[in-house]
Amino acid sequence: GENVEQHPSTLSVQEGDSAVIKCTYSDSASNYFPWYKQELGKRPQLIIDIRSNVGEKKDQRIAVTLNKTAKHFSLHITETQPEDSAVYFCAAGEYDMRFGAGTRLTVKP
Amino acid sequence: EAQVTQNPRYLITVTGKKLTVTCSQNMNHEYMSWYRQDPGLGLRQIYYSMNVEVTDKGDVPEGYKVSRKEKRNFPLILESPSPNQTSLYFCASRTQNTEAFFGQGTRLTVV
Repeated sequence: GENVEQHPSTLSVQEGDSAVIKCTYSDSASNYFPWYKQELGKRPQLIIDIRSNVGEKKDQRIAVTLNKTAKHFSLHITETQPEDSAVYFCAAGEYDMRFGAGTRLTVKP
Repeated sequence: EAQVTQNPRYLITVTGKKLTVTCSQNMNHEYMSWYRQDPGLGLRQIYYSMNVEVTDKGDVPEGYKVSRKEKRNFPLILESPSPNQTSLYFCASRTQNTEAFFGQGTRLTVV
């Protein structure tokens, strides 16, 4: 099955700075790469996703890049705000989706 | 409203007492999965199902059973719970190469 690794495990930034989270995956057949945000006590919610026919996707302050050759993808958050503080998960897998271990992002005011 | 419903939300039980956590989705999704979430370990897949009567082990299946008799339901069964199964459990459903929709989570404590 798919194996997903995520770094860093914790990330602390000042409000207004950018944050980058990186993931690698093992199965070259994977074609779908979502990112989830999980706030304390809540379920994971999709924030952005990318498919393998696209190299980059942007939605306001959030962007994801994909390098299929190297089998890695990254989440970029610009102009971070305190409400961006949460745990972020990357994932991959055609049907049995596997998740990275998560990154706890803290945005300091 | 499209949703995945898990029950119960909270459960405290004793070692060895069989329990079932139910999961139901109303989106006609083929794929359903169970994950457990532990601090620092992320979401680890327990079992997944590609369709009715088709299930397979994930990364941490020991001590768990599942069944998929109907497309909408995917219960998680702990035949003889042990304290190391104390965790936060999530059920999720999706179609191929689309986002996973998660249930509200079940916080299980085994004493």
